[in-house]
Amino acid sequence: GENVEQHPSTLSVQEGDSAVIKCTYSDSASNYFPWYKQELGKRPQLIIDIRSNVGEKKDQRIAVTLNKTAKHFSLHITETQPEDSAVYFCAASTGTGGGADGLTFGKGTHLIIQP
Amino acid sequence: ETGVTQSPTHLIKTRGQQVTLRCSSQSGHNTVSWYQQALGQGPQFIFQYYREEENGRGNFPPRFSGLQFPNYSSELNVNALELDDSALYLCASSSQTSGVEQYFGPGTRLTVT
Repeated sequence: GENVEQHPSTLSVQEGDSAVIKCTYSDSASNYFPWYKQELGKRPQLIIDIRSNVGEKKDQRIAVTLNKTAKHFSLHITETQPEDSAVYFCAASTGTGGGADGLTFGKGTHLIIQP
Repeated sequence: ETGVTQSPTHLIKTRGQQVTLRCSSQSGHNTVSWYQQALGQGPQFIFQYYREEENGRGNFPPRFSGLQFPNYSSELNVNALELDDSALYLCASSSQTSGVEQYFGPGTRLTVT
């Protein structure tokens, strides 16, 4: 089955700096890669996703890049703010439509924004 | 916030007991997936329900079972509870017809003693 590795496990950056979180996946059939943000005691929140036919996607201060050949994808957050502090999870799926195979998650990155 | 709801919020059970967790999907979504999130870990896929049938399953034993109802809500049942079943149980709703995005509910915190 799919295996998703995520690095680093903890990332501390100064407010206003950029943060980058990297993930690799093992199943070349994976075609959908979402990123979730989970604040303490709250539900995972979908913040951005990318499909295998796209190399990069941006939404305001966040962007995701995908390299299918190398089987890795990354989350980039620019101009970090205190409210960006949370645990971020990458995930991969081979599903189409509703994601019949389910999402395989990385172990998470605890992002700390230092004031 | 998503329109996905779960009940109960918290639950304490004893080893060997059985538990039922409930999930109501977001309006317009017909698919429910269940995940187990141990402390400090990412969610792990248990199974998915679509059209009232199991539509995919992760690496969980048969004592984890589920149901989906005609209104697309779903139940997760766990028999013969073990201490390692203590976790946050999340459901996520999605639509087989309009996209792959999965939106999570707030979860049920299960503690097995």
